[in-house]
Amino acid sequence: KQEVTQIPAALSVPEGENLVLNCSFTDSAIYNLQWFRQDPGKGLTSLLLIQSSQREQTSGRLNASLDKSSGRSTLYIAASQPGDSATYLCAVMFGQKLVFGQGTRLTINP
Amino acid sequence: NAGVMQNPRHLVRRRGQEARLRCSPMKGHSHVYWYRQLPEEGLKFMVYLQKENIIDESGMPKERFSAEFPKEGPSILRIQQVVRGDSAAYFCASSPQTSYEQYFGPGTRLTVT
Repeated sequence: KQEVTQIPAALSVPEGENLVLNCSFTDSAIYNLQWFRQDPGKGLTSLLLIQSSQREQTSGRLNASLDKSSGRSTLYIAASQPGDSATYLCAVMFGQKLVFGQGTRLTINP
Repeated sequence: NAGVMQNPRHLVRRRGQEARLRCSPMKGHSHVYWYRQLPEEGLKFMVYLQKENIIDESGMPKERFSAEFPKEGPSILRIQQVVRGDSAAYFCASSPQTSYEQYFGPGTRLTVT
């Protein structure tokens, strides 16, 4: 069964800290992995997409890595800001569909 | 290029009524996916459609739920005889080809009273 797990489920840090969110998946036969942000009651904002042949992607203060052999991805957020507070979702494309993790609820304290 | 459009954004139905959720994919995209997010739960795949064909409906409940993507017009997710447990956010995504990046719409929040 293809499963995606995110750790931790919730994280609270002071503003300015660098932080890492973790995602693991059970099947290495993936097409791509995507990180999303979701604000309460809102839709999904795509942050980064890593193709299966890539090792990492960067966008501004965000960096995502992918290690297919170990079934892991990390999302690194540098110099966190209160506006980064949201739920971060990891989604892995197995075949034709995305399998989502439960998310990490991130709170950045001013 | 407009993004994925979903309507309505909010839908309230009484138990036993029918709910119809619409999704217009991005221009040039012929692959549509529906996902459901139950309260306090993660997003779960429901169905994958191409024009006029259901490709994978492994995530669809066996009863009361159906989906279509006609040759012309939006994709429709139809829920008959809604129950309180159907209350959720329903997201649609589209892609230009299978196994490519999926682009998500804003979602339809269904409330069953």
